[in-house]
Amino acid sequence: GAGVSQTPSNKVTEKGKYVELRCDPISGHTALYWYRQSLGQGPEFLIYFQGTGAADDSGLPNDRFFAVRPEGSVSTLKIQRTERGDSAVYLCASSFATNTEAFFGQGTRLTVV
Amino acid sequence: KNEVEQSPQNLTAQEGEFITINCSYSVGISALHWLQQHPGGGIVSLFMLSSGKKKHGRLIATINIQEKHSSLHITASHPRDSAVYICAVPVPFQGAQKLVFGQGTRLTINP
Repeated sequence: GAGVSQTPSNKVTEKGKYVELRCDPISGHTALYWYRQSLGQGPEFLIYFQGTGAADDSGLPNDRFFAVRPEGSVSTLKIQRTERGDSAVYLCASSFATNTEAFFGQGTRLTVV
Repeated sequence: KNEVEQSPQNLTAQEGEFITINCSYSVGISALHWLQQHPGGGIVSLFMLSSGKKKHGRLIATINIQEKHSSLHITASHPRDSAVYICAVPVPFQGAQKLVFGQGTRLTINP
């Protein structure tokens, strides 16, 4: 497809487990962003990639969260030892460059039980 | 105080009414995004504007860079317009940018 694709769309996991969330950006988009949105809140910034490198990971809440983008395209957000407070919708967005319109995926709804 | 504030947080109106959602921000300099989020989480970009006004169908967005304020208007509102509308401001850092989001405005249009 032509848009940003996120998989899975829903993920239910037990507390303490490890999860991976995947984002396929629009082809050719060099900038990729991860956001987390809790119920009733606006999205909060987690991490931003320009190409393969994490240009800014200041939004990651703690060291249980890690993201990679090894080939400058697909990105994976990894969460270790999940906690119930990690439950949220995780949104990915990509843009052609950092100062152009961002396109969002449908999000992954993570539920930690 | 949030860097990007929207008002109102919730808005319920009847079909056909003229809708205004406001966004004020204290960060960012270049542009502002208006986004629409339907139940289920998917976000669609409506506008990116850096000055003046943009119009797309029944949607109109205006921005005043000096006053750091933007408004989103919906004319002849329809129940399918029901969604959360979010404004976001790019904040520069280290030669790049990230988006800072408002809390969103939940709009419900009743038939």
